[in-house]
Amino acid sequence: QVQLQESGPGLVNPSGTLSLTCAVSGGISSRFWWNWVRQPPGKGLEWVGEMSYSGSTNYNPSLKSRLTVSVDKSKNQFSLRLASVTAADTAVYYCVASTNYAQTFWGQGTLVTVSS
Amino acid sequence: EIVLTQSPGTLSLSPGERATLSCRTSQSVGNTYVAWYQQKPGQAPRLLIYGASIRATGIPDRFSGSGSGTDFTLTISRLEPEDFALYYCQNYGSSPLFNFGPGTRVDF
Repeated sequence: QVQLQESGPGLVNPSGTLSLTCAVSGGISSRFWWNWVRQPPGKGLEWVGEMSYSGSTNYNPSLKSRLTVSVDKSKNQFSLRLASVTAADTAVYYCVASTNYAQTFWGQGTLVTVSS
Repeated sequence: EIVLTQSPGTLSLSPGERATLSCRTSQSVGNTYVAWYQQKPGQAPRLLIYGASIRATGIPDRFSGSGSGTDFTLTISRLEPEDFALYYCQNYGSSPLFNFGPGTRVDF
């Protein structure tokens, strides 16, 4: 079982950078890819991006130019940075461990609001 | 890009009834790449089914997945009160890499 916990600012200024960290209990394993999924209030799920244990990344094309996902194995955590945010980036952000082509273990989620 | 369509949008049923949820893809996809999730208000989604028909760890056997090609189904054989929730299907492999359907709400 993998447990994940998101942390980071709940409020970000427009045009600023959204930064979140996900702490992983049990450590960053090569069994999983390390993902971010977001959900705007009252809307559906949108996959943001992922990184593997070895450092490979895949990003949602709609966010790719603004997005960085990184993994810090020494700290058992992975991170999300999304630049030049607008109100459209307001969402609950989930960190997720994926395997078998599915999002298997989810964090509880953290709401990030983009507003001045 | 593969588009996922879920139907119906809302399914109104009672405890004990059978729920049949549909997920259709705009192009044929491999069974390996289809998953289903349950989400309750204020909670993170939970993986129910992966590989179109494989129950995730701890998922009761009243949940089953089936289908192939472009048509996939999540069946809840007998609804329990805790099953009233939102359900999403997901495909892996197109653009974006993980693509979620719009969801089906199962209401009491």
